[in-house]
This record gives sequence, C-alpha cells and structure tokens, in this order.
Amino acid sequence: GQQVMQIPQYQHVQEGEDFTTYCNSSTTLSNIQWYKQRPGGHPVFLIQLVKSGEVKKQKRLTFQFGEAKKNSSLHITATQTTDVGTYFCAGETAGKLIFGQGTELSVKP
Amino acid sequence: GAVVSQHPSRVICKSGTSVKIECRSLDFQATTMFWYRQFPKQSLMLMATSNEGSKATYEQGVEKDKFLINHASLTLSTLTVTSAHPEDSSFYICSAKIFTHVTDTQYFGPGTRLTVL
Repeated sequence: GQQVMQIPQYQHVQEGEDFTTYCNSSTTLSNIQWYKQRPGGHPVFLIQLVKSGEVKKQKRLTFQFGEAKKNSSLHITATQTTDVGTYFCAGETAGKLIFGQGTELSVKP
Repeated sequence: GAVVSQHPSRVICKSGTSVKIECRSLDFQATTMFWYRQFPKQSLMLMATSNEGSKATYEQGVEKDKFLINHASLTLSTLTVTSAHPEDSSFYICSAKIFTHVTDTQYFGPGTRLTVL
C-alpha cells in the first residue's frame, strides 16, 4: 500500500544546533503537510506544500517539496528548547493523508 | 483558522461497554471528516473516511462493525467503539476537510484519549 517513510525516528541535539527530518513517499503526492505534536497533545498543522520543488520558510523552519513530489524535508536552524516535540509529515494522495512515522526531537539546553 | 472540536477529551470505560466520540466542525461545514488512531509513540493511522449522508469508507484492517461511524450532518461525525477492550485504548483524533478552489486542508480536533479497563 501507500507508504510515507520518515527518518530519523529520534534526534537529540544541543540547543543551537540544526535539525532536519526527511520524508519519502512510495507514490507521487498531491501535496505534503507537516505537523508538530507536543507530548500529550494533538498534531498541530505547520504548513502545506503543493508545487513541485516548492520551498517555504517560517522563521527558523524551512520546508521543501521535491521535484518529483515524492519527498520532503523540514529543516530547523539553531534549535531552541521550544522546538521539542514530534514532527510528522503527511502526504496527501487520493484524498487521504498518509502520515510518516514522525521524528521525535529533543533539545538539550 | 477553522476549529474542530472533539468530545469527550478523555474517557475511561470498562471492558465490554461502548463509547461514542463526537467530532464537530465549529465554524465551517465539512462534507468529509476523517478518523485516526494513534498509539503511544506511534504515528497517526487513518481508520476511516466519513462522508456526510453516506457510509464511511474504512481502511484495510479496521473492523467496521466495531468502529461505527455516523456523519449525519455537515458539522458532526461520531465514532462509536463498540464492546471496547483494553487493546482499543488509544488516542482517537478526527479531522475535517475544507475544500477551496486552490487546494483542500484538513483541520484536526484535539483528540480523545480512550482508556479501557
């Protein structure tokens, strides 16, 4: 079936270091979305990428959508303790969102 | 942005009982809602797609007779876990879809944490 693979599963960084999580889909996506989930909370929508090769920035966060619309990445520059949480990508195909496994980010002050 | 609510936020029940979870779109109409399940430290797994006025579409491996979905209006979908067992304990999250001329976006509810004793 359709799959969205996300790596790494865990990432531990020192505050101020950069962080990147990658997603790869087995099929071409109509769009990809990114969510952040804090422990005990629900996923919070961050952004949606629709166009091939699209790059979007939100302050220290940079999101990319691959040319083939099968892969995506989220890069955080100079992490802060407030960035802690699990980041999920979710690819939309055939009207459904397929979530990646998530990357749990911990930031050591 | 669009708001989706879920009720209850937490529920504890005895094994064998049924539990109903409501998902409401508060400030928009949603012809399509989705139900997800998330086990601890795992990702969200799509359970079913709920379409207003028609039967829900279930994902492979999800028992439709155990997880009853009703989408009776454009703002409300319900998920009933029938004869719940401890293995049904999970975080259940709904989302509602808004269609625009450009693309469509899902808005997630805050989730319902179900514990079956």
